[in-house]
Amino acid sequence: EAQVTQNPRYLITVTGKKLTVTCSQNMNHEYMSWYRQDPGLGLRQIYYSMNVEVTDKGDVPEGYKVSRKEKRNFPLILESPSPNQTSLYFCASKRAPGQPQHFGDGTRLSIL
Amino acid sequence: AQSVTQPDIHITVSEGASLELRCNYSYGATPYLFWYVQSPGQGLQLLLKYFSGDTLVQGIKGFEAEFKRSQSSFNLRKPSVHWSDAAEYFCAVVPTTSGTYKYIFGTGTRLKVLA
Repeated sequence: EAQVTQNPRYLITVTGKKLTVTCSQNMNHEYMSWYRQDPGLGLRQIYYSMNVEVTDKGDVPEGYKVSRKEKRNFPLILESPSPNQTSLYFCASKRAPGQPQHFGDGTRLSIL
Repeated sequence: AQSVTQPDIHITVSEGASLELRCNYSYGATPYLFWYVQSPGQGLQLLLKYFSGDTLVQGIKGFEAEFKRSQSSFNLRKPSVHWSDAAEYFCAVVPTTSGTYKYIFGTGTRLKVLA
């Protein structure tokens, strides 16, 4: 089954404690993205990747890092999380530019 | 700047009634257009897409959308709503001349269905 898998689904942590949210897709897609979803703001892109070792900033990259060492994986790293990064995060992948995106089920992060 | 507007934050309809969710965009050329649905605790699922051609697009779960170039709109419709359609709906636009093909999402419309 084609899918995008995120882990963990839920995480409560404290300010400053480094965390990583993993994302893996089994569709051999080249394009992957991370979004955050906040009430009243819709989805905003954090980072995206066009291929292995090729990443670029989205609209709200501050406080986040990503890496793309393998085509299937695109982890999101919060080196020093802060409360304003409390949000619902989605990973997505797509086959080509302009094509529909496939979304993971989301990761709800709470930073205390 | 390119933008997507979903003017209705919340909509409530009775089961069996018709539904129309509005989406307007600001972009000079014709973009790629999408509607996604998000059920509670789940990711976004593609309902339908428009790239070119016939301006009335059929999607899954009985949904359709009509692209109107003159109004820069891509409204989602369903003739008869089911209780399981209660969810949040997102319109998304992909400008085709920027080179990045970046998705621009609306802020969403939350649909409530009354039994």
